[in-house]
Amino acid sequence: GIQVEQSPPDLILQEGANSTLRCNFSDSVNNLQWFHQNPWGQLINLFYIPSGTKQNGRLSATTVATERYSLLYISSSQTTDSGVYFCAVSNTGGFKTIFGAGTRLFVKA
Amino acid sequence: DVKVTQSSRYLVKRTGEKVFLECVQDMDHENMFWYRQDPGLGLRLIYFSYDVKMKEKGDIPEGYSVSREKKERFSLILESASTNQTSMYLCASSKRTGWDRNEQFFGPGTRLTVL
Repeated sequence: GIQVEQSPPDLILQEGANSTLRCNFSDSVNNLQWFHQNPWGQLINLFYIPSGTKQNGRLSATTVATERYSLLYISSSQTTDSGVYFCAVSNTGGFKTIFGAGTRLFVKA
Repeated sequence: DVKVTQSSRYLVKRTGEKVFLECVQDMDHENMFWYRQDPGLGLRLIYFSYDVKMKEKGDIPEGYSVSREKKERFSLILESASTNQTSMYLCASSKRTGWDRNEQFFGPGTRLTVL
């Protein structure tokens, strides 16, 4: 099955700093999502981005499907950005979604 | 706005009890999913359903069953709860057609503790 690797596993930032999170996947995919899991456990949808680039405020994402990776950019980080960021992919009609292990982000005030 | 709700945020049960976790979505999605999340193991798919009364096993179905009698509701059942089923349970839904088909939306989760 598809393997999903996220890096870095942990990241500590000073408030206001920028960061790039990476997601590598081992096979072609039809779907790719980025989620933020907040401290209460809720998974919040950030991007649905099987290819191309999208932006939403301070966050943007790029997926290069032919090279099997996706990047999540966080600019001017805030303490509320803390949490775990997951990348999730699927290629079989969406039923079997494979999640990466996540990047744990802590933003210091 | 897609909304997925789960019946409880926190639940404490005794070993051997029958446990029902309910999930409801209000966006007419065909697909619904149950995952559990454990430290170091990530999110693992327990069961999914692509239509009413249809169900498919995920990666870790043992000890669980599901029910989908109505399109908007997907229930996870622990027939006889055990301590190793203490976990965070997450429900999700997605639609089957459209450019954004299979984009999954999650509920807030249920933290289940089995004593």
